[in-house]
Amino acid sequence: HVQLQESGPGLVKPSQTLSLTCTVSGASTTSDSYYWGWIRQPAGRGLEWIGRIYYTGSTRYNPSLQNRVAISLDTSKNQFSLKLTSVTATDTAVYYCVGCSDMSCQGGFDSWGPGTLVTVSS
Amino acid sequence: SYELTQPPSVSVSPGQTATITCSGDKLGDNNVCWYQQKPGQSPLLVIHQYTKRPSGIPERFSGSNSGDTATLTISDTQAVDEADYYCQAWHTSTVVFGGGTKLTV
Repeated sequence: HVQLQESGPGLVKPSQTLSLTCTVSGASTTSDSYYWGWIRQPAGRGLEWIGRIYYTGSTRYNPSLQNRVAISLDTSKNQFSLKLTSVTATDTAVYYCVGCSDMSCQGGFDSWGPGTLVTVSS
Repeated sequence: SYELTQPPSVSVSPGQTATITCSGDKLGDNNVCWYQQKPGQSPLLVIHQYTKRPSGIPERFSGSNSGDTATLTISDTQAVDEADYYCQAWHTSTVVFGGGTKLTV
């Protein structure tokens, strides 16, 4: 059973970089069987996919965020991370790290972290 | 950009059948998943690959697809099913979510 836990600052100033880490237990980030990603949800609104990373380090991002986002792996710590640069108030949201137990993710996001609220404010 | 359209809200009486739709261009050529989200909780996968239920999801949850529309059906709807429901599909290797439907029981 895969468990995910987000961590990182809950408050980020405008124009700065949002950085979050997801710690994975019950699976290895080096496994070729998993897809790891980030999804966010502004308060009272819907879900927005941010991007994903494979065990190879290959990434794919939401085109609307592509110029500002980077997802990386730290296999030594069994973690993956999100960086979002030049944040504004519109980036305020609950951020979820997610996993799929098949690399294609055709079976859906079957693992979710509890989510972490990040507020962008001076 | 690719869009998935859901009705903002659906109401159903306990014991009745709830139907939530998700529409998108050529959605039938895609793979659709459905998620349930209760207040203060992370979303929960309830249907994947149009019709498949993950382990632990009650049989009253079912999915179907016809043309440009995917449908989540909840039979014998119970109060515990009251939640927001999101459809999700893939478009050019990126993930798209519908806007969500609030189910009131």
